[in-house]
This record gives sequence, C-alpha cells and structure tokens, in this order.
Amino acid sequence: SQKIEQNSEALNIQEGKTATLTCNYTNYSPAYLQWYRQDPGRGPVFLLLIRENEKEKRKERLKVTFDTTLKQSLFHITASQPADSATYLCASDNYGQNFVFGPGTRLSVLP
Amino acid sequence: DVKVTQSSRYLVKRTGEKVFLECVQDMDHENMFWYRQDPGLGLRLIYFSYDVKMKEKGDIPEGYSVSREKKERFSLILESASTNQTSMYLCASRVSTDTQYFGPGTRLTVL
Repeated sequence: SQKIEQNSEALNIQEGKTATLTCNYTNYSPAYLQWYRQDPGRGPVFLLLIRENEKEKRKERLKVTFDTTLKQSLFHITASQPADSATYLCASDNYGQNFVFGPGTRLSVLP
Repeated sequence: DVKVTQSSRYLVKRTGEKVFLECVQDMDHENMFWYRQDPGLGLRLIYFSYDVKMKEKGDIPEGYSVSREKKERFSLILESASTNQTSMYLCASRVSTDTQYFGPGTRLTVL
C-alpha cells in the first residue's frame, strides 16, 4: 500500500542553522507533495505544495524539493528560529485518489 | 479568511455512548475529510466526502459512520464509543486537488 516515511521522529538544531527534513514515499507516484506545520493541540496548517514536474519551490525561508527518481522530498528552513519549533508533516495524494500523511518530524530549534 | 470549525475542542464520553463530532467549513469546498491522529501513527483517514450525500471510506472506517446533508457540514458518528477510539479527531476541507484546511481538532476521551 502507499506509504510516506519521514526519517526523523525528532530533530534538534541550533538557532540560525538550516533545518532539513526528509520525506520518502513508496509503492506509488504522487502527483504532488505537501508540507504542513502542526503545533501541539492544533490542526495542521498548510505551508507548501510541490508538483511532480517541479524540482524546487520556495516561500520566504522555506524551500521544498521533489526528486521523483529518489522518491523523496526535502523540506528546508533557513535561518531557523525558536518559533519554527513544531511538528512538520509531509502529505500527498494522487489527484484525489489517495490521501496519505507521514508520521511527522518534531523540530526543536534551540536558542 | 478560510475557516473550518469543529463543535468541541475537548469531549469526554463513556463506553457505549453514541458520539457526534460536527465540522463546518465556510469556504464552499466540495471535499471534506475526517482523520484521527494518534502518537506514533500520524494522521489516518477515516472517511471523506466529495459532495453532499456522498461518502467514501478511508483507511480506518470501522466503528465510524458519517453524514453530509449540507455542503458545509460533515459529521462523524461513533455509534457505540469504545476506549480505543480515544484520539484527536481532525476535520479538513478542500477544493478538488488543492491544499487541505484543517479545523482545530477535537480531543475525544472515551472512559
């Protein structure tokens, strides 16, 4: 069955550094991947979407890549701040046919 | 601004009770979803709906049913609540192949 893996359950980095989170998918080819941020006790909030024909997408300090050969998406936060501490979820669907979320990576940015 | 609301933030019920979780969106979205989120398991799709009076099973529909009588409202029903249904329940909506907008979540405890 379709599956999304996020290879780190938790990631700690120092303030100012770049955080890199990984999302790998297996057994299918998503038309696009999405990244969400979730704070404790709250619903996920959409951050970025990248389509299969796009290599890279940027939004302010955020950057997402999509490598269909590696079946992987990387999510980068540059110049990280303590306020970036949250759980980040990778998600995909294939034009509405499949709805799959990864387990999330809990990022902690240390001052 | 986009808004998805859920009827309760916290809910405590007894085993065997019938439980209704309500979700309302004000964006005229066709698609609505119910997920549950558990530590270590991530977000799992229970049911979704493409339109009024339409419903599709997700990955874990057992023990749940849904109702969508109006476009803006999608209800999740636990016919006879059990302790293993203690979880965070998240509702989401979206327009076709676009980002999902999540509600704040309902933390349900079944005693």
